[in-house]
Amino acid sequence: ELKVEQNPLFLSMQEGKNYTIYCNYSTTSDRLYWYRQDPGKSLESLFVLLSNGAVKQEGRLMASLDTKARLSTLHITAAVHDLSATYFCAVVSSNTGKLIFGQGTTLQVKP
Amino acid sequence: GAGVSQSPSNKVTEKGKDVELRCDPISGHTALYWYRQSLGQGLEFLIYFQGNSAPDKSGLPSDRFSAERTGGSVSTLTIQRTQQEDSAVYLCASSPYNSPLHFGNGTRLTVT
Repeated sequence: ELKVEQNPLFLSMQEGKNYTIYCNYSTTSDRLYWYRQDPGKSLESLFVLLSNGAVKQEGRLMASLDTKARLSTLHITAAVHDLSATYFCAVVSSNTGKLIFGQGTTLQVKP
Repeated sequence: GAGVSQSPSNKVTEKGKDVELRCDPISGHTALYWYRQSLGQGLEFLIYFQGNSAPDKSGLPSDRFSAERTGGSVSTLTIQRTQQEDSAVYLCASSPYNSPLHFGNGTRLTVT
């Protein structure tokens, strides 16, 4: 059964700093998504990663995928307060097609 | 265009009552998911519909939970004999095949 684990689960950082969120998954997959959720809101799609070595960037966020290590990273560069949110990775099971989410990482960026 | 619509947005019910939660996906989206999110927690997979295939019900937590999708469009999640531990936000999402999910705003269910 596919399991998806994120770490850290909570991250408090200062503006201007860099940090990385990790997403590990347990079985073969060829599709991984990153989502953002603001408090009291629904989820918004950030990135789709489809192949080994895929890298996507949007503003201060960069996501990458290593299918051999079953690992995706979400790197935050020079964080700003507007990035404060909860970030989820989600992995599609190659066997069943269903999408399983990690626990989420709550990011708090302090001035 | 219209997004995924869920109703009601809030539902308060007494323990033991049945509830129905509705999801109107984006037109033409073949995949439809239901997830449950408890306060401060991640998304717990409940059920997945893909086109005309049999739904994947492997995430439904008990036989009190059921869901159907009529005509490949609207979906209803039914919880019978609600319990306090059923209190959560129930999120519906839809997508074209092999594409990112579009989420609704959720139904916040409170069982008293």
